[in-house]
Amino acid sequence: DAKTTQPTSMDCAEGRAANLPCNHSTISGNEYVYWYRQIHSQGPQYIIHGLKNNETNEMASLIITEDRKSSTLILPHATLRDTAVYYCIIMNRDDKIIFGKGTRLHILP
Amino acid sequence: EAQVTQNPRYLITVTGKKLTVTCSQNMNHEYMSWYRQDPGLGLRQIYYSMNVEVTDKGDVPEGYKVSRKEKRNFPLILESPSPNQTSLYFCASSSQGLRDYGYTFGSGTRLTVV
Repeated sequence: DAKTTQPTSMDCAEGRAANLPCNHSTISGNEYVYWYRQIHSQGPQYIIHGLKNNETNEMASLIITEDRKSSTLILPHATLRDTAVYYCIIMNRDDKIIFGKGTRLHILP
Repeated sequence: EAQVTQNPRYLITVTGKKLTVTCSQNMNHEYMSWYRQDPGLGLRQIYYSMNVEVTDKGDVPEGYKVSRKEKRNFPLILESPSPNQTSLYFCASSSQGLRDYGYTFGSGTRLTVV
C-alpha cells in the first residue's frame, strides 16, 4: 500500500492560493491520488482525484508530477471556510482508503 | 438530496449496554464502510461491505459487528460497549467504481461510553 507524507500544518492568507503538497513515492501504476478534507468534526468531504493527468473541478486543482511520486492540491482563492484538515490518500489494491494524519490548513484573515 | 444518514448524532451510554448506530444511504451505492476517529489517531476503518451480505474487517474491528442485509443500510453494532469505544464514528458509501468516484460520508455519531 502506498503511503503518503504531508506537512502537519500550513497557513495561507485569505484570498491567496493554498498549495498543499503530498509525497507518495511508493505509489503503484494503477493507484489513484485522492484528496479529502474534514472541517472540524464533520464528515470528510471528497475534493478531487487523479491518476496521471492534472485535474480541475469547481473546488480545486490537482497537479501530479510526471513520475507520480508527488502531487499538489491547489485551492485557487482560499476563504476562511477552507480551514480544515486535508488528506491526501492513495487507493490501495483492496480499494480500502487509508487516512493518514493530513495537513491542518489555517486560512488567515 | 444524495446523502449518508447516521443516527443518532450523539449518544451517551453505559458499559455493557448493547447499542446500534444506524447508517443509510440513498445513492444505491454498493460499498459502505464504518470509521472511528480519535485524537492523534486519525480515521481508522472498522468494517466495510462491498455489497449486500458481504462484509469484511477493517483495521480495528474488535468489539464491533456489522450487517448488510439491504443495500442502503449498514448498521454498526456494539454488543457490549466499553469506555475505549468512546469515539467519533463515521459511515461512508461509494459506488462500485471506487477509483472513479469519491466516498460520501455521514455527519458523524459522537459516542460516549461511561
